[in-house]
Amino acid sequence: EAQVTQNPRYLITVTGKKLTVTCSQNMNHEYMSWYRQDPGLGLRQIYYSMNVEVTDKGDVPEGYKVSRKEKRNFPLILESPSPNQTSLYFCASSSSVTSYEQYFGPGTRLTVT
Amino acid sequence: AQSVAQPEDQVNVAEGNPLTVKCTYSVSGNPYLFWYVQYPNRGLQFLLKYITGDNLVKGSYGFEAEFNKSQTSFHLKKPSALVSDSALYFCAVRHTGGFKTIFGAGTRLFVKA
Repeated sequence: EAQVTQNPRYLITVTGKKLTVTCSQNMNHEYMSWYRQDPGLGLRQIYYSMNVEVTDKGDVPEGYKVSRKEKRNFPLILESPSPNQTSLYFCASSSSVTSYEQYFGPGTRLTVT
Repeated sequence: AQSVAQPEDQVNVAEGNPLTVKCTYSVSGNPYLFWYVQYPNRGLQFLLKYITGDNLVKGSYGFEAEFNKSQTSFHLKKPSALVSDSALYFCAVRHTGGFKTIFGAGTRLFVKA
């Protein structure tokens, strides 16, 4: 089954404790992206990757890091989480073959206390 | 700068009536336009897209959208609403020459039986 998986689905952590949210897709998509969803703000793009070892900032990259060492994986790293990063996070993948319609993971709800 | 506006936070319709969810955009060059739907506690699902060609595009679950270049709009429509259409709808735009994707804030659709 074609899918995007994220782990963990729920995470409660404390300020400053480094964490990683994993994302994996099995569709051989070259393009992957991270978004955060906040009420009234819709989805805002954090980082995206056009292919292995190629990443770029979205609209809200501060406080986040990403890496793309393999085509299927695109982890999101919060090295020193703060309460304003409490949000719902989505990973997505897409391909130029289908004109970049995105396939989304199930989401990760992060709470930073 | 790219932007997407969904002017209505909420749309209420009666089952069986036609529905419209509005979207306007601002992007330099030619846009790729998308609609996604989010059901409660779920990730986003792709509904339809406009890339080029016919201004009226048809998508999943009986939805369609009309691209209007002069009004820079891409409104989502359905001739006869179902209660099961109740969800959060997002419009998104992507510049054809770039990789960033901008989402609107979302419109919550309520369909009453």
